[in-house]
Amino acid sequence: SAVISQKPSRDICQRGTSLTIQCQVDSQVTMMFWYRQQPGQSLTLIATANQGSEATYESGFVIDKFPISRPNLTFSTLTVSNMSPEDSSIYLCSARTGTGSTGELFFGEGSRLTVL
Amino acid sequence: DAKTTQPNSMESNEEEPVHLPCNHSTISGTDYIHWYRQLPSQGPEYVIHGLTSNVNNRMASLAIAEDRKSSTLILHRATLRDAAVYYCILRDGGTSYGKLTFGQGTILTVHP
Repeated sequence: SAVISQKPSRDICQRGTSLTIQCQVDSQVTMMFWYRQQPGQSLTLIATANQGSEATYESGFVIDKFPISRPNLTFSTLTVSNMSPEDSSIYLCSARTGTGSTGELFFGEGSRLTVL
Repeated sequence: DAKTTQPNSMESNEEEPVHLPCNHSTISGTDYIHWYRQLPSQGPEYVIHGLTSNVNNRMASLAIAEDRKSSTLILHRATLRDAAVYYCILRDGGTSYGKLTFGQGTILTVHP
């Protein structure tokens, strides 16, 4: 199993600023992901955080807006850049152990961002 | 990714069984059926998964149709803590990539 801690748990931000969310896992994991959950909606995958290389972004998400780092097997950051009220969401970090299709994903409790 | 269809919401009474259906008519032979749930103000958590055979664990049972075009998550005795959004997700077993694509899920309400 894996326990995922995210910081901050919530924040209120001003339009045009940037915020970096940290994700720490208590054990080495093979893959890490970042999701966004807009109010009242399901989760949408932003990107896969690759260790030591550029993240792999899903359609509709770009590196300039959501730069991601993953310097080692247990830590990743997501930055939400030049924020607007439309970026108000919960951002969730997830990770999986092992390989193959059956390894379960573990999720943090999320970082709730409100952009004014 | 193959698509799943779930009812928007369901209701149950405490201590009664709950059957949460999921249709996945375009499932491929290598797709695993995964269920996750999201309790209020928390991240999703794994519930169960299967490929062809029915599966049981401490949380739930998963019944998979013979043609694999549908499945049912069974909570044997619902508790108030089981009130959550339940997501049925297909995950390609042909790759080791492992990402999950969430649909809208089923909101389960449990009445005392």
